[in-house]
Formats: sequence, C-alpha cells, structure tokens
Amino acid sequence: EAGVVQSPRYKIIEKKQPVAFWCNPISGHNTLYWYRQNLGQGPELLIRYENEEAVDDSQLPKDRFSAERLKGVDSTLKIQPAELGDSAVYLCASSLASSAVAYEQYFGPGTRLTVT
Amino acid sequence: GENVEQHPSTLSVQEGDSAVIKCTYSDSASNYFPWYKQELGKRPQLIIDIRSNVGEKKDQRIAVTLNKTAKHFSLHITETQPEDSAVYFCAARAISNFGNEKLTFGTGTRLTIIP
Repeated sequence: EAGVVQSPRYKIIEKKQPVAFWCNPISGHNTLYWYRQNLGQGPELLIRYENEEAVDDSQLPKDRFSAERLKGVDSTLKIQPAELGDSAVYLCASSLASSAVAYEQYFGPGTRLTVT
Repeated sequence: GENVEQHPSTLSVQEGDSAVIKCTYSDSASNYFPWYKQELGKRPQLIIDIRSNVGEKKDQRIAVTLNKTAKHFSLHITETQPEDSAVYFCAARAISNFGNEKLTFGTGTRLTIIP
C-alpha cells in the first residue's frame, strides 16, 4: 500500500511570491490534514478535511493561506503571498478518522519551504 | 484548547538502558494518545498509541502508560539501540465543543542513544 505522497519535497521562493503544495492521501482515507512544523517543534494543525469538506480551518491564516480538496481525494495548500515567517515543513496526513472515532494518522514526507 | 507538555526536551542514554519520555495534557476529554518517531528530515511515524479506556499498552521494546486522573502519559523504551535515536513526539486528541477532533502535539524529545 502506498503511503501519503507529497510534492514538491523542497521549495525555495522569494517573499511575496505564491507557492502551492500537493498531497495525495492513502487510498480510502476520507480524512486529510495539513500541518505546519516549525524547526524544533511538533506539527500544528492548519486544516482538516472530511471527504471534500473543510471541517476545521480555524488555525488556517485565511488572509494568505487557502486549501482545497476536490473530489475528496487529492488536496492542495496554497500560500499567496509568502512571508519570511512561512518557512517551515508542511506536512500532509490522512486517516480514517471522524469526529466519533480516532484512527491513526499517517504522515507524508512533507514539503520543506524556504522563503528568502 | 488542548495543551500538551513534553519532557525532557533532550535525552541521552547508554545503549541497552531504558528511556522514558513524559507528557501531560490539559483537556480531560482527550481520548487518544499516539506517539510518533521522527528521524532527521523524515516524516513522523506512529510507533504506538493508547486509548483512554486502557492504562497500558506494550509492543516489544516500547510501552506506553496512561494516567487519566493525573492527565499524563509516558513512553518507555527498553533495551535501547542506536536506531532508536530520533525525535519523539507525544500527542493528545480532543473533541471541541463544535465536534471537531484535533490532535495536539508536544514539543518533542530528542533521544540520543550512546553506543
């Protein structure tokens, strides 16, 4: 079984430029998460999808961040415009979880973003 | 919201000795507690988890204990090996008033096994 796939693995951009990250979750996983992991810290949730619905985006900075999950499978996270403080690893995870039952979350390899 | 504290931030143990990492959480409604291992530049990988209806779980050299009353849980690694060197994160899952489930992570423990 293939794991969570993310691309690109690395991205270097100048501030004020846009950037997008792509995630393909494990087949059959209805729940998808985007996390941001700063250096030396644990992952912090940005947004959670159940199928194609964003059920929790309370931690997503909506002035510059957006996300979509068309057809309830792949997802894209976008930053426009990027700021220096956005430099971090962006992790995608998926699970069978719902609000009622907790299931394991499986992480992708992440995209390391550097904003110069 | 949920707050998870993790200690120590760094831990060095001699190969073959045991390592213990401790976490506390604030939301008494939290019901699921996974532990992740993250090697440098790699993805977090689930190594063990425990649900709130269980006090202890073991998988070979790894065990986790949960004290719901005190709101703390611990990871125990016995007979440590060099490949156990990594950063370990604890996490707690809580359900908000709006029915949203959220996993909150600790700040991580860098474990170094000394050969």
